[in-house]
Amino acid sequence: DAKTTQPNSMESNEEEPVHLPCNHSTISGTDYIHWYRQLPSQGPEYVIHGLTSNVNNRMASLAIAEDRKSSTLILHRATLRDAAVYYCIFYNQGGKLIFGQGTELSVKP
Amino acid sequence: EPEVTQTPSHQVTQMGQEVILRCVPISNHLYFYWYRQILGQKVEFLVSFYNNEISEKSEIFDDQFSVERPDGSNFTLKIRSTKLEDSAMYFCASSEAFSGEYYGYTFGSGTRLTVV
Repeated sequence: DAKTTQPNSMESNEEEPVHLPCNHSTISGTDYIHWYRQLPSQGPEYVIHGLTSNVNNRMASLAIAEDRKSSTLILHRATLRDAAVYYCIFYNQGGKLIFGQGTELSVKP
Repeated sequence: EPEVTQTPSHQVTQMGQEVILRCVPISNHLYFYWYRQILGQKVEFLVSFYNNEISEKSEIFDDQFSVERPDGSNFTLKIRSTKLEDSAMYFCASSEAFSGEYYGYTFGSGTRLTVV
């Protein structure tokens, strides 16, 4: 399965921007990059996805490197509710999501 | 916002007993999934289901597991003879698209299965 690399943990201060990096050097040209997050004691939650261009939605922005070997999830103003594990995932052609360990984001007031 | 509903939220069962975990996916979704997460570990794929049949399953999904969509709304995961190592959080998910365009999976809040 295609592999992504993320830092195990990151810390942020409330109301500051957060940049969560992901390396995916083995990504193929047709793989989408997805981000999900898992709040404590909840199921994973879709955040955003993209292929080549940067993407914005109400939750976050996704910046994708030109060579597509890395991407960054941007939370523009972190809140305490954003404390979660964030997963960067390839869209598998078979249609299943494969979760790695993700980045545990903690947000300090 | 539409939700995936899972019941029960917590189930305790004796080793060797059968359990059925229930899910109601989002009504216009066509693709259904089960995942599990053992405490402190990764979320693991179990099975995907489309058009009333299994599309793909992982090596975890052995003969002890089965899935069914018994009516137009429910999607169930059955474990025939539970083992201690089946203790985990089980998540159901659904999505509109399986390949090509992608709209994101919606996950339920999970069923915590405890095998004693």
